Amino acid sequence: DAKTTQPNSMESNEEEPVHLPCNHSTISGTDYIHWYRQLPSQGPEYVIHGLTSNVNNRMASLAIAEDRKSSTLILHRATLRDAAVYYCILHGGSQGNLIFGKGTKLSVKP
Amino acid sequence: NAGVTQTPKFRVLKTGQSMTLLCAQDMNHEYMYWYRQDPGMGLRLIHYSVGEGTTAKGEVPDGYNVSRLKKQNFLLGLESAAPSQTSVYFCASNRGIGEAFFGQGTRLTVV
Repeated sequence: DAKTTQPNSMESNEEEPVHLPCNHSTISGTDYIHWYRQLPSQGPEYVIHGLTSNVNNRMASLAIAEDRKSSTLILHRATLRDAAVYYCILHGGSQGNLIFGKGTKLSVKP
Repeated sequence: NAGVTQTPKFRVLKTGQSMTLLCAQDMNHEYMYWYRQDPGMGLRLIHYSVGEGTTAKGEVPDGYNVSRLKKQNFLLGLESAAPSQTSVYFCASNRGIGEAFFGQGTRLTVV
C-alpha cells in the first residue's frame, strides 16, 4: 500500500491560514489523495479529496503537486474548532483498503 | 438520514466472552470498513468489504471475524475477547471513491 508522511504536529494562530503538508512519493496513477480530520472524542470526518487538480470546498483547499508526490491541505482561516488530527490518505478506490497513518495534530492558539 | 449507525455504543466484556458489533448504513454504499483506535493512536483497519457477500483482511485482522450478508450491514465479531482488544471501534462506508462516512464509535472494554 502506498504510504504518506506527515509532520506529527503543527501549531497555528486563530484566523491565520494553515498549510498542512503530506508527502506520498510512491503514489500510483489511480490513487486519490484524501484528507480526513478527527476532532477529540469523535469519529473521523471527511475534509476533501482530489486526483490531479487542485480542489476547493467549503472546508478547505487541496493543492496537489504537479508530479503528485506531495500535497498540501489549506485551511484559509483557522478557528479553534479546527484543532484536530488531520490524516492524509491515499485511496485506490477499487482496492477498498482505506488506510490511515498517524496524522498531524493541529493546535490552534487564540 | 441516519448515515452510519453503530450498535452498541459502549460495552464491557469479560475475557473469553464473545460479542458482535453491528454497523448499519442507509446510503446504499458498496464499501464498508471496521477500524480500531487505541488511546493516542491513529485508526487501524481491521477488515473491510467491497460489496455484499465479500470481506477482506485489513492491517490487524487477528482475533476478529466479519460478515456482510446484507449490503447495508457489516458485522464485526470477537469470538473470545482479550484485554488487548480494549479499544474504540469505528465503522465507515463509502462508494469506493469519495467521502467515507464514519459512525460515532463503540467503546469496548475487556476486563
